[in-house]
Amino acid sequence: DIQMTQSPSSLSASIGDRVTITCRASQGISTYLNWYQQKTGKAPEILIYGASNLESGVPSRFSGSGSGTDFTLTISSLRPEDFATYYCQQSYTLPRTFGPGTKVDIK
Amino acid sequence: QVQLRESGPGLVKPSQTLSLTCTVSGGSISSGGYYWSWIRQSAGKGLEWIGRIYASGSTNYNPSLKSRVTISVDTSKNQFSLKLTSVIAADTAMYYCARDRMIVAGPPAFDIWGQGTVVTVSS
Repeated sequence: DIQMTQSPSSLSASIGDRVTITCRASQGISTYLNWYQQKTGKAPEILIYGASNLESGVPSRFSGSGSGTDFTLTISSLRPEDFATYYCQQSYTLPRTFGPGTKVDIK
Repeated sequence: QVQLRESGPGLVKPSQTLSLTCTVSGGSISSGGYYWSWIRQSAGKGLEWIGRIYASGSTNYNPSLKSRVTISVDTSKNQFSLKLTSVIAADTAMYYCARDRMIVAGPPAFDIWGQGTVVTVSS
């Protein structure tokens, strides 16, 4: 299985901050990397697919980059509704695997 | 738009079989370009992909659960189902069904999720 790691595991930030979350795959996955946002008590929702493609309806303050083993999710200017947990997930091979998550909370 | 909803017992006894159904509305489960997946989330193991099915009945399972999992589809009811046998406490989790976009429809991703259903394994 491809192991996914994320850093940091949690972070505290203020409204308007630029936030960057890193995801690393245990082997190369090209750009088969997705990012999800999960709010408390809700199902995950897709933000970014194929490493850098914004899912329809997702605000443009979210962006993704990377290829191979190293990827980043950036929120350019944090808004109150962005406080949540973010997960990366590889879709390069089966079984699909997820990172452990990064919790973004209010400073 | 397409919506998914999980249903099934919230409490299962150890050694018994967990059975859940996902009902798809707003679109056909037989439409091309999508697999239909089960994913679970527990405090101990995070998000774990269980397996998926195509409308034709073709399946893929996570090797870690393969010996205990069966996923089936009923296209006439626009539903797909999960059975997990010989459950133990570690199978306690939130179970989600999700639409799994195939590569022919763009980079693969879980693009629509159900709200989830909590299953507790306890006597």
